[in-house]
Amino acid sequence: NAGVMQNPRHLVRRRGQEARLRCSPMKGHSHVYWYRQLPEEGLKFMVYLQKENIIDESGMPKERFSAEFPKEGPSILRIQQVVRGDSAAYFCASSLIGTGTSGLSYEQYFGPGTRLTVT
Amino acid sequence: QQQVKQSPQSLIVQKGGIPIINCAYENTAFDYFPWYQQFPGKGPALLIAIRPDVSEKKEGRFTISFNKSAKQFSLHIMDSQPGDSATYFCAANRIIFGKGTRLHILP
Repeated sequence: NAGVMQNPRHLVRRRGQEARLRCSPMKGHSHVYWYRQLPEEGLKFMVYLQKENIIDESGMPKERFSAEFPKEGPSILRIQQVVRGDSAAYFCASSLIGTGTSGLSYEQYFGPGTRLTVT
Repeated sequence: QQQVKQSPQSLIVQKGGIPIINCAYENTAFDYFPWYQQFPGKGPALLIAIRPDVSEKKEGRFTISFNKSAKQFSLHIMDSQPGDSATYFCAANRIIFGKGTRLHILP
């Protein structure tokens, strides 16, 4: 029973390069959430996806960031032209069933995170 | 409106004591309030969660108290142990997180 998997665990990029972060949800989970965590800060919600659909991207920066969750394969968070301020830990979580701001909520399981360092 | 305020920022408690961490929210549309535990270098893990129609929930040594009228909820850890030393986050609807409380339990 593999949990949520993220890779790479550590990623170093120079300013201006692209960063691709991958998240494989738990088996059977079709809902994925991405969060960013700065040192000494809480988690900041970025985006919520279902297979092939973006449900809520209200926390995603308008430029340079994109996310996808294809029918087959992992969810990808892509950061183009990285800047030093993008350095953070990026976590994904998956759940069996998702939710909006009301209605049923189901437990979400977090991955170990990808620590992005921009030099 | 889209904030969860968490306090204290850090907390040191003797083994066996009962650390209490508090959170306050503003948006009355929130309907799910989880607490997460995070160890250094690891992802958060769900500890316990509550809905606003319940005033208290216990799971093992962890208890959430919920005050709907005050829009506040808190985490109590009974008989705390050094292994409970971690950062704890409250959240609302899994998308709004508090800034975390670093808890240290002295042996």
